[in-house]
Amino acid sequence: AQKITQTQPGMFVQEKEAVTLDCTYDTSDPSYGLFWYKQPSSGEMIFLIYQGSYDQQNATEGRYSLNFQKARKSANLVISASQLGDSAMYFCAMRVHGSGNTGKLIFGQGTTLQVKP
Amino acid sequence: DGGITQSPKYLFRKEGQNVTLSCEQNLNHDAMYWYRQDPGQGLRLIYYSQIVNDFQKGDIAEGYSVSREKKESFPLTVTSAQKNPTAFYLCATQRTSGRAVEQFFGPGTRLTVL
Repeated sequence: AQKITQTQPGMFVQEKEAVTLDCTYDTSDPSYGLFWYKQPSSGEMIFLIYQGSYDQQNATEGRYSLNFQKARKSANLVISASQLGDSAMYFCAMRVHGSGNTGKLIFGQGTTLQVKP
Repeated sequence: DGGITQSPKYLFRKEGQNVTLSCEQNLNHDAMYWYRQDPGQGLRLIYYSQIVNDFQKGDIAEGYSVSREKKESFPLTVTSAQKNPTAFYLCATQRTSGRAVEQFFGPGTRLTVL
């Protein structure tokens, strides 16, 4: 079964510190992509970062980096130098690229991050 | 401006009524998706369409219907058969050519059944 698990319902971090949001995934397909989205209270889904299963290096986008550990099937998001505007819900998602690829994203339950001043 | 528009932002309906949520895009993307989000939860796929005049059921299609008569538009109808329709509905698009590494989401419609 294909599944995304985010075990941290809520996290707190002090402003300017780094924080890691956990994500583990389950798929038997060798080709897949992993995504992180940010959802502020307004409800929009903002794409943050993408990691392909065959990518050799961990993805980075500005203050976001993805700690991809394929053997452990984990894709943790690291936010460096947290800002007050980072307070939001964060979703990990997976897209499997196998036959009959629909582009469908499978989402985790989300982690609510609160940045303290 | 290129993007995805969803209307209305907030929608109220009485029990037993059908209601249609609009999703329009000018990104020229082939694939479009409808997701449902319940409070404190992730998104679940309702329907998707990879090309005009074709669409497929997602994981929770019961009580919903869609159409895809134009590339730009993918309206979702929440029928009276949907037992618990109060939720946040998100429409998304995706390129199907090249390394399409992200889905683009609209701003969402919050549906409340009174």
